[in-house]
Amino acid sequence: AQSVTQPDIHITVSEGASLELRCNYSYGATPYLFWYVQSPGQGLQLLLKYFSGDTLVQGIKGFEAEFKRSQSSFNLRKPSVHWSDAAEYFCATFTTGGGNKLTFGTGTQLKVEL
Amino acid sequence: NAGVTQTPKFQVLKTGQSMTLQCAQDMNHEYMSWYRQDPGMGLRLIHYSVGAGITDQGEVPNGYNVSRSTTEDFPLRLLSAAPSQTSVYFCASSYGTGRRSPLHFGNGTRLTVT
Repeated sequence: AQSVTQPDIHITVSEGASLELRCNYSYGATPYLFWYVQSPGQGLQLLLKYFSGDTLVQGIKGFEAEFKRSQSSFNLRKPSVHWSDAAEYFCATFTTGGGNKLTFGTGTQLKVEL
Repeated sequence: NAGVTQTPKFQVLKTGQSMTLQCAQDMNHEYMSWYRQDPGMGLRLIHYSVGAGITDQGEVPNGYNVSRSTTEDFPLRLLSAAPSQTSVYFCASSYGTGRRSPLHFGNGTRLTVT
């Protein structure tokens, strides 16, 4: 079954520093991968998605992610973090069965130090 | 455009009580689903519906019932609440059921069962 793993539970970065959040997937074929962000008290907002083609995908809020098949990874990056980026970030993969089911990772909580 | 609306935002129940979590969307989406979010576990699919009159179970359906009498509404019912159902519940919808249809999330209902 398709799954994703987010190895970092918490990450702290200084404002203005670069950010990379890790996501590893488990799937034999090409997976459909997503990154969502959840601000406190809010629902999940889609940042970006990868289906096929160009392995570097651009998303909203200045985020990008790179699909690397050789490493089974889909890491999220941002060149310069803003204090408003503090949130929880979820990697997810489309899973067959369950209609439009997404299987989520356990999330990475990002703290931004001013 | 309200998107996906969940009510209530917060709820406290005693063990054995029943209640219904409401979810409505105004985007004419065919697919609707319920997830629960627990610390360290990401989001897990409870039930989903691919259209009015059609529902199916996700990975954690026990203790929950759903129905889909209209395209817009997808309520989640707890018939006899248990402390293990303390969680944050998210409703999500999408236009289609394919992997290219992004999910839109509500802002969640935080439920505490004492």
